[in-house]
Amino acid sequence: SYVLTQPPSVSVARGKTATITCGGDDIGSKAVHWYQQMPGQAPIMVIHYDSDRPSGIPERFSGSNSGNTATLTISRVEAGDEADYYCQVWDSDTEHVVFGGRTKLTVL
Amino acid sequence: QVQLVQSGAEVKKPGSSVKVSCKGSGDTFSTYALIWVRQAPGQGLEWMGGVIPTFSTAKYAEKFQDRVTITPDKSTNTAYMELSNLRPEDTAIYYCARGTILTGWGSWGQGTLVTVS
Repeated sequence: SYVLTQPPSVSVARGKTATITCGGDDIGSKAVHWYQQMPGQAPIMVIHYDSDRPSGIPERFSGSNSGNTATLTISRVEAGDEADYYCQVWDSDTEHVVFGGRTKLTVL
Repeated sequence: QVQLVQSGAEVKKPGSSVKVSCKGSGDTFSTYALIWVRQAPGQGLEWMGGVIPTFSTAKYAEKFQDRVTITPDKSTNTAYMELSNLRPEDTAIYYCARGTILTGWGSWGQGTLVTVS
């Protein structure tokens, strides 16, 4: 089965740039989506199709995908960005939705 | 913005079944896929299965293959997820989400807490 690997935690100072990676075999050939989940809340999509922002998501959120790594970048990080983040793809071989293992973003 | 409204919290005994509903607004099932994702306490998101218009039948994760049934009711824009033979480790929040396999899951239900004890 297809596996997505995320770092368990990322820490960044307020106002700086946070980078969260998502590793997978030839992930660059897949569409990668990113979700933010605040404590006690349902996930919300912050990036879809590698780098597109859904309506209402700040421009500070951006994404890229190439080779074996997809990346979520959050610029000018705010305290309110502190949350869990998940990457996700569709594995066409197994016809399964696959989520990464979660990255907890801490804002210092 | 599409709204997905799920049924309320449940407390179940081990060995029993639970059926969670997810009611969507608008054209939920004709064009879009609907999936179920669960989150055990303190854990990450886990895909259970879903109904995808491209395929004639629901798709399930192997882990749940023999215990979960996902059924859509197009007439009421409602999807159901039934999980049988419940175990304490099935205690989790269960989410439904709508979207497509290409663009991801842009609308999520509020979650349903299922406690098995």
